[in-house]
Amino acid sequence: EAQVTQNPRYLITVTGKKLTVTCSQNMNHEYMSWYRQDPGLGLRQIYYSMNVEVTDKGDVPEGYKVSRKEKRNFPLILESPSPNQTSLYFCASSPFLGPLDGANVLTFGAGSRLTVL
Amino acid sequence: AQSVTQPDIHITVSEGASLELRCNYSYGATPYLFWYVQSPGQGLQLLLKYFSGDTLVQGIKGFEAEFKRSQSSFNLRKPSVHWSDAAEYFCAVGGGFQKLVFGTGTRLLVSP
Repeated sequence: EAQVTQNPRYLITVTGKKLTVTCSQNMNHEYMSWYRQDPGLGLRQIYYSMNVEVTDKGDVPEGYKVSRKEKRNFPLILESPSPNQTSLYFCASSPFLGPLDGANVLTFGAGSRLTVL
Repeated sequence: AQSVTQPDIHITVSEGASLELRCNYSYGATPYLFWYVQSPGQGLQLLLKYFSGDTLVQGIKGFEAEFKRSQSSFNLRKPSVHWSDAAEYFCAVGGGFQKLVFGTGTRLLVSP
């Protein structure tokens, strides 16, 4: 089944304890991205990647790192989590580079709910 | 810059009644518009999309949306709501190079 898989789905951690949220897609998609969802703010893009070893900042990159060493994987790293990073995180991918239009649609993972105490 | 406004935070509809969720966008060129649904504890599922052609687009689960350029709107409709439609709905515009700009979402409650 074509999908984007995120792990963990739920995580409670403490301030300053490094964590990684993994994201993997099995569709050979070129493009991958991370969003965070907060009440009243909708979804905002954190980072995106256009190919292996090519990543760039989205709208809210502070406090996050990413890497793209393999085409299928795009982990989100929180080096020193803080309570303001408590959120619902979504990984997404699309088949190829270019505008997100009718042919190049984003597929989302199921989400990872992170709580930082 | 692109933006999306969903003016209704919550909407309650009786089961079997019709539904319309509002979405207004701001975008300088021809917009690519999407509606996603997020059921409780689930990820985002694409309901429908508009990128050209017929301004009335059909989606999954009996939903449709109408693109009105003059009003910068892309409202989502369903003629008869089912209890399973209770979820949060997000409108989004394809903005710039491979980024979706999302609205803040509308939570739909369905009453018996």
